[in-house]
Amino acid sequence: DVKVTQSSRYLVKRTGEKVFLECVQDMDHENMFWYRQDPGLGLRLIYFSYDVKMKEKGDIPEGYSVSREKKERFSLILESASTNQTSMYLCASSLRVGAGSNQPQHFGDGTRLSIL
Amino acid sequence: AQKVTQAQTEISVVEKEDVTLDCVYETRDTTYYLFWYKQPPSGELVFLIRRNSFDEQNEISGRYSWNFQKSTSSFNFTITASQVVDSAVYFCALSDRGSTLGRLYFGRGTQLTVWP
Repeated sequence: DVKVTQSSRYLVKRTGEKVFLECVQDMDHENMFWYRQDPGLGLRLIYFSYDVKMKEKGDIPEGYSVSREKKERFSLILESASTNQTSMYLCASSLRVGAGSNQPQHFGDGTRLSIL
Repeated sequence: AQKVTQAQTEISVVEKEDVTLDCVYETRDTTYYLFWYKQPPSGELVFLIRRNSFDEQNEISGRYSWNFQKSTSSFNFTITASQVVDSAVYFCALSDRGSTLGRLYFGRGTQLTVWP
C-alpha cells in the first residue's frame, strides 16, 4: 500500500512565523502535490512537483513556497504565516506514466494548521 | 479548460436509503480520466475508482456503483442501502492529456450524512 505521511496532524503557529509542513511518500512516486482545503471551496492546488528540485505553481501559490530535495519528500513553506492561511493542508503523490495523467493521487491524513 | 461540478453541497439520508452523488465535468479532450474519492471525518482522501473516457461500462463494487455517461458529461456515484459509515465528503476529479504532470481537477465535494 502507498503510504503518504504528513509530519503533523495539528499545528498551531503565530502570525509572521516561518512554517514548514513536511510530507514523505514511500512508493517512489515522481509527482507530489500540496493542496489546501477550506469549507465550501474544496481542494485547491498550491504547488506540485514532478521531480527532485522541480516545482510548478498551482492555482494559489501566493504566500507559499516548496522544496523537493529528495524524491520522497516534499515540503510546503509558509514564509511569513498569516491568519488567512489557517486551513487543512493535504499532501498527495502519484506515479508519472508519460504524457497526460491516468494515475490516482494518494493522500496523507492532512495537517490542520491554525495561525493565531 | 478542465472543470468538475458537484452541484450538491450537502445531502442527508437515513440509513438504508439509496443515494446518488452527481458529478458533471468539462474537457475539450477526447481522452480523459475520472476519479471519485471519499474523505471520512478522519481527513484522509481515499481513492475509490478511476474510469477512462473509452470505457462507458457502469461499474459496481458492493454497495457502490458508478454511472458514466459521455452524452451528458456525467459520472455519478450511487450508494445502495447507505450506512452510517458512508458519511463523508465525496470528491469527483478529472484529468486529461492537457493536465500538467499528473494534476487532477477536483469538484468542490458533496458532504453526505447518513443518519441512523
